[in-house]
Amino acid sequence: KQEVTQIPAALSVPEGENLVLNCSFTDSAIYNLQWFRQDPGKGLTSLLLIQSSQREQTSGRLNASLDKSSGRSTLYIAASQPGDSATYLCAVRYTGGFKTIFGAGTRLFVKA
Amino acid sequence: DTAVSQTPKYLVTQMGNDKSIKCEQNLGHDTMYWYKQDSKKFLKIMFSYNNKELIINETVPNRFSPKSPDKAHLNLHINSLELGDSAVYFCASSQYRSHSGANVLTFGAGSRLTVL
Repeated sequence: KQEVTQIPAALSVPEGENLVLNCSFTDSAIYNLQWFRQDPGKGLTSLLLIQSSQREQTSGRLNASLDKSSGRSTLYIAASQPGDSATYLCAVRYTGGFKTIFGAGTRLFVKA
Repeated sequence: DTAVSQTPKYLVTQMGNDKSIKCEQNLGHDTMYWYKQDSKKFLKIMFSYNNKELIINETVPNRFSPKSPDKAHLNLHINSLELGDSAVYFCASSQYRSHSGANVLTFGAGSRLTVL
């Protein structure tokens, strides 16, 4: 069964801290992996997409890595800010059916 | 603006009613999706259409019927609404396939359905 798990479920950090969010998936036959941000009551904003052939992607203070062999991706947020407070979702698009499966998300709270 | 837009944003209705949610994308994508986000915020795919053809149909009650008149539109009709249908429904779109796998999944803002 294709599953996506995110750890931790919730995280509270002081402003300025560097942090890592984890995503694991059960099937290495992936097409791509996408990290999203969702603010309360809002839609999903795409942060980074890592193609199957790539190992990492960077955008500003965000860096996402992909290790297909171990079934893991991490989202690294540098110098966290209160505005980073949101739920971060990992989504894995598998080959064969091209279905995108979401993790349950990590709820991040950055304290000022 | 290029986007995925869905209407209505909020929908409050009584049990047993029939309602529809509409979605349109002007990103030129050939694949559209409906996702359901329940009260625990878990996102689960319901349907996907590629060029008006149904390609993903998860285990969803047949009270839910998607319709894609063209590749830029995907509507969701729900018959005989039940309390458990209360959720946020998200429409999304992407290119079905690309050589590199760089096809981003883009979401609408969501439609919050409340069944009383």
